[in-house]
Amino acid sequence: NAGVTQTPKFQVLKTGQSMTLQCAQDMNHEYMSWYRQDPGMGLRLIHYSVGAGITDQGEVPNGYNVSRSTTEDFPLRLLSAAPSQTSVYFCASNQQGSTEAFFGQGTRLTVV
Amino acid sequence: GQQVMQIPQYQHVQEGEDFTTYCNSSTTLSNIQWYKQRPGGHPVFLIQLVKSGEVKKQKRLTFQFGEAKKNSSLHITATQTTDVGTYFCAGRSSNTGKLIFGQGTTLQVKP
Repeated sequence: NAGVTQTPKFQVLKTGQSMTLQCAQDMNHEYMSWYRQDPGMGLRLIHYSVGAGITDQGEVPNGYNVSRSTTEDFPLRLLSAAPSQTSVYFCASNQQGSTEAFFGQGTRLTVV
Repeated sequence: GQQVMQIPQYQHVQEGEDFTTYCNSSTTLSNIQWYKQRPGGHPVFLIQLVKSGEVKKQKRLTFQFGEAKKNSSLHITATQTTDVGTYFCAGRSSNTGKLIFGQGTTLQVKP
C-alpha cells in the first residue's frame, strides 16, 4: 500500500495564480484532512472531510476550497494564490472514530 | 473553538538529560494523540491516550493524560540524538472528529 500520496512535492506560484494540491489514500479511510505548517504555528487545520460528499471548514479555511467526490481523493484548491499561503501543506487520513492519522510527505509551496 | 496549547516551543538538552513537553486544551478531549516529526519529514503517530489519568510508556517515553482530560505530557528519559525532532500533541473533538494540533515542541539534543 502507498498510504497517503501528495503531489507535487514542491511548487512555486506567482501571486494570483491558481493550483490544486492533490491527495490520495488507498487505505479506505473515511476521514481526510488538510493542514498547513508554518514556523511557530504548528499544524493548522484548513479543511476536513468525514466521507465522500461531505466537507467542512477547519481553523484557517479562507483562500482554500476542497471537494470529496471519492473516498480516495481529497484535493485542495488555491483559487488566487497569495504570499501568505507560502507554507508546507500536509494531507492526512484516518479511519472513522478516534484513531491515528496517517500523513502524506507534504507539499512545500512558495508564492512570490 | 477548540484550542490546544503546547509548551515549551523549543528545548535544547545535552544528550542524557531528560525532556518534558506539556499540552493543554481549552476543552475536554475524548482522546489525545502524540506525533513526532523529524526535520524535513512528516508527522508520525506515536500514541493515543483515552482514559482519564492514563499513563503509557514506550521505552524511554512516558505519556500522561490528565484527570480532567484537558492536559497531557510527554516525558523522555535520558535523551538520545535520535530523539531530535518536533513533538506534537493533538486533541480530537468528540463532536466533529476534527484533530487539532498544538504548536509543537522542537527538541534539539547536543551529543
